[in-house]
Formats: sequence, structure tokens, C-alpha cells
Amino acid sequence: NAGVIQTPRHKVTGKGQEATLWCEPISGHSAVFWYRQTIVQGLEFLTYFRNQAPIDDSGMPKERFSAQMPNQSHSTLKIQSTQPQDSAVYLCASSHGGNTEVFFGKGTRLTVV
Amino acid sequence: QEKVQQSPESLIVPEGAMSSLNCTFSNSASQSIWWYQQHPGKGPEALISIFSNGNKKEGRLTVYLNRASLHVSLHIRDSQPSDSAVYLCAALLSGSFNKLTFGAGTRLAVCP
Repeated sequence: NAGVIQTPRHKVTGKGQEATLWCEPISGHSAVFWYRQTIVQGLEFLTYFRNQAPIDDSGMPKERFSAQMPNQSHSTLKIQSTQPQDSAVYLCASSHGGNTEVFFGKGTRLTVV
Repeated sequence: QEKVQQSPESLIVPEGAMSSLNCTFSNSASQSIWWYQQHPGKGPEALISIFSNGNKKEGRLTVYLNRASLHVSLHIRDSQPSDSAVYLCAALLSGSFNKLTFGAGTRLAVCP
């Protein structure tokens, strides 16, 4: 079990460019989550999927952020027109849902210059 | 909605001492409280969770939950330098399907 796999580990984009982050959840997990971590805000919930269906995107900045889960083996987080304030570590996580352990990937560090 | 606050922000203890971390949550309907450990450059890893009032022990870890005061604490006995990390408290709200709300974390440093 390789755990939750996130690629790339580091990404640098210029202001205004698009960034796509990839996540491969643990096989068999029905829930997939995206979180964002910064020094100032800590670990913030962005969105989650249950059995590939989007359930709650209440944490997503609406205009430029979008997430998809086209199949059970991967999810993507896309940020359009990136801004310096989008610089953060983006963490993907998966679980069996309910009151079970949530497993996190190592994250993608996004730097917008 | 759930809010989670942790204290202290940072903690330095000598090797072999007890480390005590605190967490308060805002919603008594929180189904469970989880403690995660995060090392630099890594994702958070679950350490221990508690659902019922009272305490739970796992190895060197003991967690206490008091729902009446909305307070939970984590105690690490015989702290080791390898325990140095950021500890995150997270609340799972009933009906939220595994969606965790995290506190800001406590940075623990264990000095040899």
C-alpha cells in the first residue's frame, strides 16, 4: 500500500497561470478530500468526494478553484489564474468514510511567483 | 460548523518528560476527536482518536475527552526526540461524513 500519492511534490507557477494538482487515493477508499495548509490559516478544508460524486465544496474559493474525480483512482484540483495568496501546501486525503481514519498524502507545495 | 483551538502554540520538553497538549472544540455534537502528528515535509498521520467521554491509552499516548467542557487533551509519556513534530487536533462533526476540522496545531520539541 503506497498510501495517498500526490504529484507533483513541488510546483512553481507564474502569477496568472494555471496549476493542476493530482491525487491518487488509497485503493478501495470511498471518500477523497482536498485540504490547503498555510502557516497563517493552518489546515483548511476545501472539498470532498464520496464515491466520485462531489459532496461538499464549501471551502473552495468559487471563482478560480475546481476539483474533479473522473474515476475512482484519481482526483485533480485545478487553480486558474493563480495568485500569490494561493501559495500553500495542498493536501489530498482519503478514507472509507464515516468515523474512520483519514489518510493524507505528502502534499504538493505550490509557489506562485 | 465546528471550531477547534489548540494550546500551547509550542512546547519544549526534555527527553523522558511528559508532554501535555490541549484542544477545545465548539460543538458538543462532534462525533469524535482525532490527534494527528505531522513531521516537516510530510502529511499528517493519525495517532489516536476518542469517541466517548473518559480516557483512552495506546502505548505512550493517553487522551482524555470531557464533552461537558468541550475539552480534550493528549499526553505523551516518556517523550523522545523522535516525537518532535506538529500535533494537530481535529474534530469530526456528526453527519459530516468524515470531514475533519483542524486546530492550528502545537509544535512540540523534545530536547535530548
